[in-house]
Formats: sequence, C-alpha cells, structure tokens
Amino acid sequence: GEDVEQSLFLSVREGDSSVINCTYTDSSSTYLYWYKQEPGAGLQLLTYIFSNMDMKQDQRLTVLLNKKDKHLSLRIADTQTGDSAIYFCAESLYTDKLIFGTGTRLQVFP
Amino acid sequence: DADVTQTPRNRITKTGKRIMLECSQTKGHDRMYWYRQDPGLGLQLIYYSFDVKDINKGEISDGYSVSRQAQAKFSLSLESAIPNQTALYFCATSDSRGSDTGELFFGEGSRLTVL
Repeated sequence: GEDVEQSLFLSVREGDSSVINCTYTDSSSTYLYWYKQEPGAGLQLLTYIFSNMDMKQDQRLTVLLNKKDKHLSLRIADTQTGDSAIYFCAESLYTDKLIFGTGTRLQVFP
Repeated sequence: DADVTQTPRNRITKTGKRIMLECSQTKGHDRMYWYRQDPGLGLQLIYYSFDVKDINKGEISDGYSVSRQAQAKFSLSLESAIPNQTALYFCATSDSRGSDTGELFFGEGSRLTVL
C-alpha cells in the first residue's frame, strides 16, 4: 500500500542546515517530490527526484534518495527565515496521482 | 490572476447543509484533483479527474461528490456537511501531455468550517 511519513516539526537556527526526512512504502514509485506550503497559500513544487537517482542538488537544496530503505531527505543549506513553511514529501506511481506525507513544519529562528 | 482559482476561499456552514466548492483553471491542464488538508494528516486525495469524462475516487471519497463540468472546471460537493469535514480543501491541476514529472499546481485553498 501507499503511505508516506514525516516528522511533524523541525526547528533550526538561521544560517544552519535543515534536514527534513521522509519514508515511503511503495517501492514502485517513479518520482518523489518535495512541496513547500507557505502560510495561507497552496503547495508549490520545490524539487523532485526520479527514482533511479540517488541525489539531486539545486542551489541550496539537496535531495537524497535511499531506495533500499525507502528514505528521502531534503537538506536546505544556510536556512533563512523565508524558508519557514510546511514541507511535504510526496510519491507517485507513473505520475498518475501523488500521495502526500503528513508535512513537516520548519521553523527558523534568528 | 491565479492560474488555479478556488471559490469560496472561506465558508462557515451548519451540519446537514449542502456545500459546493468550485475550482477553475486557466492552465489548459487535463487533470484536476481535490485534496483535503488536516493538521498532522497532510493532504488526502478525495477525487481526481483525468479528463471531462473521467472521475475517480481517491483515498477519502465518502461524503463527497464531484463534477467535471468542463476541462477547466472541477467542483466538489458535500451533500450533507458534518463537523468532521471541517478542513482546508485544495484543488490542483496537472498536465499529462506537457510534463513527465507529474507536477501539481495548487489553488490557494478553501477553508470550510462545519458547525
């Protein structure tokens, strides 16, 4: 079955790195995603990784995928107050539909 | 103007009332979705539609119905609202033809409170 789990909260100091973790259960997933939800807004795609990749880097963002353990992580380098948001991990099977995790609320303090 | 527009943005209603949430999009996407967001539960898929003649149930379709009136419009109805349907509802779209990543584009959400 499909199930995506994340921890609910993460608090970091401005300038430090943030690491948000996610576990999923469907080994057939083709894409895994990170979406960001800012207060009062809908979700926006932050980055994604294809299931045959181990790592993807995009400026301050690094996505790591461990298919054996079904573990996905998002690392944000030099975290800023503007990074405060809820981050959702999601998986898809052939992009037909996405299954979202519970979301991790990231709070960045000065 | 937003590419995916939801109306109303906020609604308070009473138990037993019929409620319709509407979604329209100008992105020309073929696929549309309704999700529900509850604190600590993330987003759960209610219904999705891959084209005008296609409607599919998601994880939590009980108590909801949908109508895909046109490619650009997808409405969600609660025939008889109950308090545990109090939540934030999101409409989303995706393009099966233009993107191979399945990226979803979300509206700004409709907050529904059932008293």
